[in-house]
Amino acid sequence: GENVEQHPSTLSVQEGDSAVIKCTYSDSASNYFPWYKQELGKRPQLIIDIRSNVGEKKDQRIAVTLNKTAKHFSLHITETQPEDSAVYFCAARRENAGGTSYGKLTFGQGTILTVHP
Amino acid sequence: EPEVTQTPSHQVTQMGQEVILRCVPISNHLYFYWYRQILGQKVEFLVSFYNNEISEKSEIFDDQFSVERPDGSNFTLKIRSTKLEDSAMYFCASSALLRGEKLFFGSGTQLSVL
Repeated sequence: GENVEQHPSTLSVQEGDSAVIKCTYSDSASNYFPWYKQELGKRPQLIIDIRSNVGEKKDQRIAVTLNKTAKHFSLHITETQPEDSAVYFCAARRENAGGTSYGKLTFGQGTILTVHP
Repeated sequence: EPEVTQTPSHQVTQMGQEVILRCVPISNHLYFYWYRQILGQKVEFLVSFYNNEISEKSEIFDDQFSVERPDGSNFTLKIRSTKLEDSAMYFCASSALLRGEKLFFGSGTQLSVL
């Protein structure tokens, strides 16, 4: 089955710096890669996602890049703010073209991001 | 924005007891999921459910687990005889029919087995 590895496990940055979190996946058939932000004691919330037909996607201060050949994808947060502090999870999923099953999300281990004011 | 709701938020039970975790998915969604997260670990897939049947399950989802959609709005996870290692945060999630629709997670039920 799919295996997703995420690094680093903890990341500490100063406010205004950039943060990069990297994930690798094992199943070359995976074609959907979401990123979730989870604040302490709260639900995971989708912040950005990318599909395998594009290499990069950006939404304001957040961007995700995908390298299908190397089977890795990264989350980039620019101009970090203290409210960006949370646990970030990457995930991978294989989407069936037939649409009858979307398959499970396989998550990485998570990265604890701390942004110091 | 519509939300997936879960009850209870916390559940404490004795080992060997049965528990039922309840979820109300977003109303027009047709795919339902249960995930769990042991403290400090990654979120793990348990089961997916579509058209009143399980479409996929993980090795964690053994005979002690079952899911049900008893009516048009609720989606439940039952653990028949809880074990200490079942202690975790259990998240329900749902997604719509359209291909590629994102997953919406509920706020979770923290299950503590004593």
